[in-house]
Amino acid sequence: DAGITQSPRHKVTETGTPVTLRCHQTENHRYMYWYRQDPGHGLRLIHYSYGVKDTDKGEVSDGYSVSRSKTEDFLLTLESATSSQTSVYFCAIGSPSGNTIYFGEGSWLTVV
Amino acid sequence: QQQVKQSPQSLIVQKGGISIINCAYENTAFDYFPWYQQFPGKGPALLIAIRPDVSEKKEGRFTISFNKSAKQFSLHIMDSQPGDSATYFCAADSRGSNYKLTFGKGTLLTVNP
Repeated sequence: DAGITQSPRHKVTETGTPVTLRCHQTENHRYMYWYRQDPGHGLRLIHYSYGVKDTDKGEVSDGYSVSRSKTEDFLLTLESATSSQTSVYFCAIGSPSGNTIYFGEGSWLTVV
Repeated sequence: QQQVKQSPQSLIVQKGGISIINCAYENTAFDYFPWYQQFPGKGPALLIAIRPDVSEKKEGRFTISFNKSAKQFSLHIMDSQPGDSATYFCAADSRGSNYKLTFGKGTLLTVNP
């Protein structure tokens, strides 16, 4: 395993509530990513970070915000969860040596 | 706009057979093409990757074939085993993109005993 811990692993929340998913890495990698995985859509990039306090939007960033105050932690926040945000969320970290990215185990989020 | 198109969506192969998954890309700036393997309930894991300076890369039973002029690459799994049953994703990346991989939509491979 690449030293990535996601929390919580499973969560059920109600529409309109805020939700924060946490990604913690022990590899000291500069790059961190949040992807969502949905049937028929594969893996889509939500936001990514290329350093502490340096973040940028991905393909499907609407409704999501991120923060990275420390190298090891990358937080994904759903300000007001909607049913369309029911998904599996994967955190990933990037290795500068060879474009490789490594994924965490995923966080299953259900918005009811 | 789908930059990496993957086919087929699903594939059923008999044990010992050859599994072939194809991907096509549009962005000529892509210069790194990995394949990821994902088992149910797990995160995707890097399986094998290729750069466009070679046309083929083999690791055990897994081979990537790359056709730069056609902008296509494929994964071949020789002597497929039931343990290979998983979802496979192709992806592409370009230098200077902050290692942002663009993924295909995935292929669910089932290898029957």
